[in-house]
Amino acid sequence: DTEVTQTPKHLVMGMTNKKSLKCEQHMGHRAMYWYKQKAKKPPELMFVYSYEKLSINESVPSRFSPECPNSSLLNLHLHALQPEDSALYLCASSQVAAGALLYGYTFGSGTRLTVV
Amino acid sequence: AQSVTQLDSQVPVFEEAPVELRCNYSSSVSVYLFWYVQYPNQGLQLLLKYLSGSTLVKGINGFEAEFNKSQTSFHLRKPSVHISDTAEYFCAVSGDTGRRALTFGSGTRLQVQP
Repeated sequence: DTEVTQTPKHLVMGMTNKKSLKCEQHMGHRAMYWYKQKAKKPPELMFVYSYEKLSINESVPSRFSPECPNSSLLNLHLHALQPEDSALYLCASSQVAAGALLYGYTFGSGTRLTVV
Repeated sequence: AQSVTQLDSQVPVFEEAPVELRCNYSSSVSVYLFWYVQYPNQGLQLLLKYLSGSTLVKGINGFEAEFNKSQTSFHLRKPSVHISDTAEYFCAVSGDTGRRALTFGSGTRLQVQP
């Protein structure tokens, strides 16, 4: 299995809703990421998990709450979002080698989120 | 901190013509460089990567890139493009600072015309 699977593919939610995005990989990767991509822009890093622990939070508002319950699963919990949070949310994973950097990132196809 | 600059936001080219997409990076440490492609409404797919060794890197779909340390560049090339190569191309850098994440350039839209 060489894929990162994201569900759902599309999500429309109201500003008062609570929803979650799910990301799953079975490649044995120990680093997982959330990126946000606005239209016609590059992906922007939100969170990094390394060995199931949050290692980077790029000053993301608290209405986005990540969770890594195990080495294969990464969630992004959404609450009280704003219309400007509408974007493509990409999950990625990579190997983590001690003392070395990653050798490539595998991206999921993303969840297209619309906040109304 | 590291960064990448993609000088061209759009590159129109005719089918079967060669193409070069430019990427320049800045970093105070060793870098690892990547090119990703994003087709409409899809995630990112790795085209190729430079970690060390040979400066000419070959990737998928006939693409290649050359790492030039003196010019801090990592340009992407293909000798003959197809309509199916129409997509957004992102150059990305990951520096050897323990920051296990990518920094992307602004992207180049490759538009292949018949």
